[in-house]
Amino acid sequence: DIQMTQSPSSLSASVGDRVTITCRTSQSIRIYLNWYQQKPGKAPRLLIYGASTLQNGVPSRFSGSGSGTDFTLTISSLQPEDFATYFCQQTSSSPTTFAHGTKVEIK
Amino acid sequence: EVRLVQSGPELKKPGESLKISCKGSGDSFTNYWIAWVRQVPGQGLEWMGIIFPDDSDATYNPSFQGHVTFSADKSLSSVYLQWHSLKASDTALYYCARQGEVHTSGSYDYWGQGTLVTVS
Repeated sequence: DIQMTQSPSSLSASVGDRVTITCRTSQSIRIYLNWYQQKPGKAPRLLIYGASTLQNGVPSRFSGSGSGTDFTLTISSLQPEDFATYFCQQTSSSPTTFAHGTKVEIK
Repeated sequence: EVRLVQSGPELKKPGESLKISCKGSGDSFTNYWIAWVRQVPGQGLEWMGIIFPDDSDATYNPSFQGHVTFSADKSLSSVYLQWHSLKASDTALYYCARQGEVHTSGSYDYWGQGTLVTVS
């Protein structure tokens, strides 16, 4: 199985901050990388697919980049509703695997 | 609007059987792959496998194969996750999720609300 390493595991930030989360895979997955947001007690929500394509309805302050083994999720200006846990997922090979997530907390 | 609605929380004893459901509405439910994803509270997400409701074709994660069974009833727009003999380690939140269109990199664009299974 492809191993996923996401960092940091948690971070504290203020409203308006630029936040960057990284995801690294154990082998190349081209651009088969997706990002999700999960709030407490809620199901994950798809933010970005194909490493950089914004899902319909997702604010443009979210962006994704990368290919191969290294990927980044960036929130350009953190908003109160963005405090949540973020997961990356690879869908290059089966079984699809998720990283353990990054919890974004209020500073 | 696409919605996936899952059955309610379950409290079971080790060794008991269980079947939970995920019912779809909206866009052609049976034409999309539906995955099952496990989340132990406070932990990450684990892919259990996936089923195509139209013909019940299924693929299992080897980590779960033999312990769970997926099924579907396309007349009810529903998929099911079943255990024949639960273990305490099956205690978790279980999500169904729809795999989106081909061009969306295999991502999961709609999720059920989750079913909490407690085995104790």
